Amino acid sequence: NAGVTQTPKFRVLKTGQSMTLLCAQDMNHEYMYWYRQDPGMGLRLIHYSVGEGTTAKGEVPDGYNVSRLKKQNFLLGLESAAPSQTSVYFCASSLGGLARYNEQFFGPGTRLTVL
Amino acid sequence: KQEVTQIPAALSVPEGENLVLNCSFTDSAIYNLQWFRQDPGKGLTSLLLIQSSQREQTSGRLNASLDKSSGRSTLYIAASQPGDSATYLCAVSMYSGGGADGLTFGKGTHLIIQP
Repeated sequence: NAGVTQTPKFRVLKTGQSMTLLCAQDMNHEYMYWYRQDPGMGLRLIHYSVGEGTTAKGEVPDGYNVSRLKKQNFLLGLESAAPSQTSVYFCASSLGGLARYNEQFFGPGTRLTVL
Repeated sequence: KQEVTQIPAALSVPEGENLVLNCSFTDSAIYNLQWFRQDPGKGLTSLLLIQSSQREQTSGRLNASLDKSSGRSTLYIAASQPGDSATYLCAVSMYSGGGADGLTFGKGTHLIIQP
């Protein structure tokens, strides 16, 4: 049982390049989330999904797109990377539904630098 | 907009002391509250989840309390050890449709336990 895994662990991009971050969970969780963590700003929600085929915007969605084609995977895309998107990206998942089932479990993070 | 504040921002204490970390939130209509620890360069580890209907949760040397009406939570760590050194994050979720949406995080308390 690997929990929540993220690919890649590190990446350096040039401004304008695109990339996709992959999050996978093997806990059969319904809900999945993408956050970014920046010094002095804390963790902020980018997008989330409450089930396969659904997505919703979080606090800072601009410049990102997401897809949840399979229940176990949640993809975060950057179409045209900007230096402001330099950050550590965390994926999380939870059973969802009732409050007692909504404990979120986090992946190890992806450190992205945009030059 | 929900805002979460953690006090103090940093804390350094000798090994063996009992200590309290504080978290406050501006909107008391939360769904649940979760405490995490984060080690440098690592992901988040869930410590405790308190549902909005609960007053406290305990796990080993950790005890978290919740006073929803006043918008406060505390994390009590008993008999602190050097291995407890980490950043502790408080986060709340709000109700959205069929369940909770994403978490709103505080900026954390950076804790150092001196041997």
